[in-house]
Amino acid sequence: DVKVTQSSRYLVKRTGEKVFLECVQDMDHENMFWYRQDPGLGLRLIYFSYDVKMKEKGDIPEGYSVSREKKERFSLILESASTNQTSMYLCASRRSGANVLTFGAGSRLTVL
Amino acid sequence: GDSVTQMEGPVTLSEEAFLTINCTYTATGYPSLFWYVQYPGEGLQLLLKATKADDKGSNKGFEATYRKETTSFHLEKGSVQVSDSAVYFCALNLEDSGYALNFGKGTSLLVTP
Repeated sequence: DVKVTQSSRYLVKRTGEKVFLECVQDMDHENMFWYRQDPGLGLRLIYFSYDVKMKEKGDIPEGYSVSREKKERFSLILESASTNQTSMYLCASRRSGANVLTFGAGSRLTVL
Repeated sequence: GDSVTQMEGPVTLSEEAFLTINCTYTATGYPSLFWYVQYPGEGLQLLLKATKADDKGSNKGFEATYRKETTSFHLEKGSVQVSDSAVYFCALNLEDSGYALNFGKGTSLLVTP
């Protein structure tokens, strides 16, 4: 069964900490995405990547960065976590040219 | 910009009731349209999709028809089950964002026995 795996389901961090959220897919997909999900706001795109070492800003990139050193792995980085980054983070991937996203189960981050 | 608007929830229905969740879109081009479902504690999964006008997507008893004249993609099911309790997201693809999906805010559905 094809999968997108997010390594941490639940994280609790303190304000100012550097946070890494990891996402790995086993489908050899070229495109990967990071969204955050908040009640009443739905899903908002943070960053996406067309391919290895490529990245593009989404709608809300402020306070985040990403890394795509290998095709299967797309990391979301919070350089200095803040309380307003408490959220559910969803990773997704897609084969280039396809229009269906496959999502991971999500990482729920709480910043105290 | 391109966007979707879906009805706010929560929606509470009795088992075997008819379900409609409204979704309308705004787009400059001709997007593909999707419904994703999120069951409690899980990520999103594709429920159905339609890629052009008048297409009907269907899966697990759910249906939605891509209506260009009304810019709508309403989700329907004739008889809901308790297991359909979830959050439903309408979405369209964004040509100028690497075909990332633009999601609606989600509609929570609770089906009671």
